[in-house]
Amino acid sequence: GAVVSQHPSRVICKSGTSVKIECRSLDFQATTMFWYRQFPKQSLMLMATSNEGSKATYEQGVEKDKFLINHASLTLSTLTVTSAHPEDSSFYICSARRARGRGNTIYFGEGSWLTVV
Amino acid sequence: AQKVTQAQTEISVVEKEDVTLDCVYETRDTTYYLFWYKQPPSGELVFLIRRNSFDEQNEISGRYSWNFQKSTSSFNFTITASQVVDSAVYFCALSVITDSWGKLQFGAGTQVVVTP
Repeated sequence: GAVVSQHPSRVICKSGTSVKIECRSLDFQATTMFWYRQFPKQSLMLMATSNEGSKATYEQGVEKDKFLINHASLTLSTLTVTSAHPEDSSFYICSARRARGRGNTIYFGEGSWLTVV
Repeated sequence: AQKVTQAQTEISVVEKEDVTLDCVYETRDTTYYLFWYKQPPSGELVFLIRRNSFDEQNEISGRYSWNFQKSTSSFNFTITASQVVDSAVYFCALSVITDSWGKLQFGAGTQVVVTP
């Protein structure tokens, strides 16, 4: 079964509203999670690194005020797309890094399809 | 900076043919990991294999095999006797130890289309 769960899997929101996507590690603690975005027929691009208890590290060109990331616990990171616009419609997927000592492994969530209308 | 190149945009084959997907990577780090993922139309990423930079042993797993050659910075993937269910986008990815391990640099992906 899945060890990283992402919710919701699909969401449609109106332009100008905010939407939150959750990424949850189910049976391990993840001090670090990653958020990627994938536009249709393109590759996955890293948006940010989410660190438990500290601010996220954003990749160049990603607006941190628009894509709010919160990693308040060792099993949950959230991505909030604020004031969403149609160009934010995309596939968002997270991954979680299993803590060292238990093997260096990363697990991906199932992904979330966001459509802004 | 890291870079992963998948030069093949799309490969179309007839069922039972073999398919080889090319992946060339660039990094100055000596310790790194290479991955292959499969992405079906539903979107989820299906993990296929991970190799670290110190393990050049090639691997076969069922109909899948991988050829890792550090001398040419390549990590190619072959599907033997392809099946329609193999139709998907395949991504090669790289992660380096010195830059937040687990942070993946993906290639552009190769669309594999297998027709009956």
